[in-house]
Amino acid sequence: EVQLVESGGGLVQPGGSLRLSCSASGFTFSSYAMHWVRQAPGKGLEYVSAISSNGGSTYYTDSVKGRFAISRDNSKNTLYLQMSSLRAEDTAVFYCVKGTHSSGGYFDYWGQGTLVTVSS
Amino acid sequence: EIVLTQSPATLSLSPGERATLSCRASQSVSSYLAWFQQKPGQAPRLLIYDASNRATGIPARFSGSGSGTDFTLTISSLEPEDFAVYYCQQRSNWPRTFGGGTKVEIK
Repeated sequence: EVQLVESGGGLVQPGGSLRLSCSASGFTFSSYAMHWVRQAPGKGLEYVSAISSNGGSTYYTDSVKGRFAISRDNSKNTLYLQMSSLRAEDTAVFYCVKGTHSSGGYFDYWGQGTLVTVSS
Repeated sequence: EIVLTQSPATLSLSPGERATLSCRASQSVSSYLAWFQQKPGQAPRLLIYDASNRATGIPARFSGSGSGTDFTLTISSLEPEDFAVYYCQQRSNWPRTFGGGTKVEIK
């Protein structure tokens, strides 16, 4: 059974940093692209970032470029999102998502999400 | 950026009725479109990919159609567990984008 468990969310002040982690199990982690998708409270889904299966290719949506960094450790089956210079508008539930291909693809499994709140 | 526009925003129906949800893209996404279901407090669940293919374990009452810029998700006969928010999403271009969602509520 595929499982994705996020951690690392919490309350952070504007301008602060946070690192999210996603522990994966139930599939060959190193074979699939992984993604982060967020959802602000009461709002829709917003795509954040992607990383290819071997970590060689990454993508960021414009609003987080230069502030967020996605990475993965295939030996630990873990995905990361390092977030810095956080803003109030980054407040959201962040979902770790498995892709259906080694690069890009669809989103076939989602974690339960971790809430990031940016507030003073 | 490809904008996906979903309509209607809210659909009020009774169990057993047919639901028809629309997703329109600002430019062609070929057939690279997916549909997700999200219930309150839960993560989204993949229903349909490549416009018309049901994901693993998805009941046959869910079907998708369309290509290019116009897509439809149909739920042939609503079950109580189908009342939720539905999102379309394209993987044709970066950034991947989602529609704003259609809420299917009990009438």
